[in-house]
Amino acid sequence: NAGVTQTPKFQVLKTGQSMTLQCAQDMNHEYMSWYRQDPGMGLRLIHYSVGAGITDQGEVPNGYNVSRSTTEDFPLRLLSAAPSQTSVYFCASSYKLGGGYGYTFGSGTRLTVV
Amino acid sequence: AQSVTQLGSHVSVSEGALVLLRCNYSSSVPPYLFWYVQYPNQGLQLLLKYTSAATLVKGINGFEAEFKKSETSFHLTKPSAHMSDAAEYFCAVSEGFTGTASKLTFGTGTRLQVTL
Repeated sequence: NAGVTQTPKFQVLKTGQSMTLQCAQDMNHEYMSWYRQDPGMGLRLIHYSVGAGITDQGEVPNGYNVSRSTTEDFPLRLLSAAPSQTSVYFCASSYKLGGGYGYTFGSGTRLTVV
Repeated sequence: AQSVTQLGSHVSVSEGALVLLRCNYSSSVPPYLFWYVQYPNQGLQLLLKYTSAATLVKGINGFEAEFKKSETSFHLTKPSAHMSDAAEYFCAVSEGFTGTASKLTFGTGTRLQVTL
């Protein structure tokens, strides 16, 4: 069981470039989400998905796109990278836990935009 | 809307001293509460979680937290700090009974320093 796998672990982009951060889970979790972590701000929700074909915006969605074509994969796309998107990105999948949910996080992608 | 406030962005304790990291939450429905730890350049590791069962929750590495509804608090404690506890700690809340199952809201984090 690999859990939540994020690739790449590190990436440097030039301003204006595009890229896709990959996230895959093998636990058949229905819910998946993307967070970004910035110093002094904790983790903030970018986008989330409650199932294949269904996505919605979180707290900081601007500049990011997502899609969910399968239960396993939830890629995050940066269409035109900006220095403000320099951050550490975490993907998470959620599972039913009693009346609520538990969360499993990937190991993160450290992105630098120059 | 749910929110989390962590009081103190930096906390310093001596090795062997009590660790107390504060977390207050706001939620319109019964909350699920979590504490995560992050060691330098690593991902998030779940320390413990409150899921509406026992109000005193025991986690890994000797940590525990008590859910106090009247105070809307979920403070993290450890009786005796160890050097290996130095890390950043995040409190988080999710609304357990809504459809927004993927929405976990984090506090801004508390960096714990342990000194000799």
